[in-house]
Amino acid sequence: KQEVTQIPAALSVPEGENLVLNCSFTDSAIYNLQWFRQDPGKGLTSLLLIQSSQREQTSGRLNASLDKSSGRSTLYIAASQPGDSATYLCAVVVANNLFFGTGTRLTVIP
Amino acid sequence: GAVVSQHPSRVICKSGTSVKIECRSLDFQATTMFWYRQFPKQSLMLMATSNEGSKATYEQGVEKDKFLINHASLTLSTLTVTSAHPEDSSFYICSAVRDNGYTFGSGTRLTVV
Repeated sequence: KQEVTQIPAALSVPEGENLVLNCSFTDSAIYNLQWFRQDPGKGLTSLLLIQSSQREQTSGRLNASLDKSSGRSTLYIAASQPGDSATYLCAVVVANNLFFGTGTRLTVIP
Repeated sequence: GAVVSQHPSRVICKSGTSVKIECRSLDFQATTMFWYRQFPKQSLMLMATSNEGSKATYEQGVEKDKFLINHASLTLSTLTVTSAHPEDSSFYICSAVRDNGYTFGSGTRLTVV
């Protein structure tokens, strides 16, 4: 069974700092990987989608990488802002099933 | 981009009553939708997969008679929590797939008193 782990579970950084969130998965036979953001009491907002054949995707200050062979993905956030404070979830798709990571709760301190 | 609308965002109901949550795909057709439950500070747990025009597929441990799912059209799936109890209080979220990516609704906070 696919297991998805995110490290760290929580992270606090001062505003302006660059940061990296990590996601690892046990089964490399994934269809794609998606990073989401969840604000307290809200639904999930899709940030980036990486197909299994891709190595990375970029959107604004966000860059996500994927290394299928090692079962890892990273989400890089440049020049962090207080508005980036949220829980970040990675999820992998395997055989039409979506497996979520445990999440990283990010706090950006003004 | 793909939008999934979920309603209501919050609902409080008395024990023993039923509550219906709607999930609509606004700008695309979704033959399959997914219903999740999320406990505080935990990740999402898949409850069931809703299939348009056919029965839903429930995950192990999810009571199909308690969580009724109907997917009568290509843009609407509903989750009805029947005979609700306080332990059913939770955050429920739906999602659909478009262009290989998952799009989620804004969630419904259910409180059973």
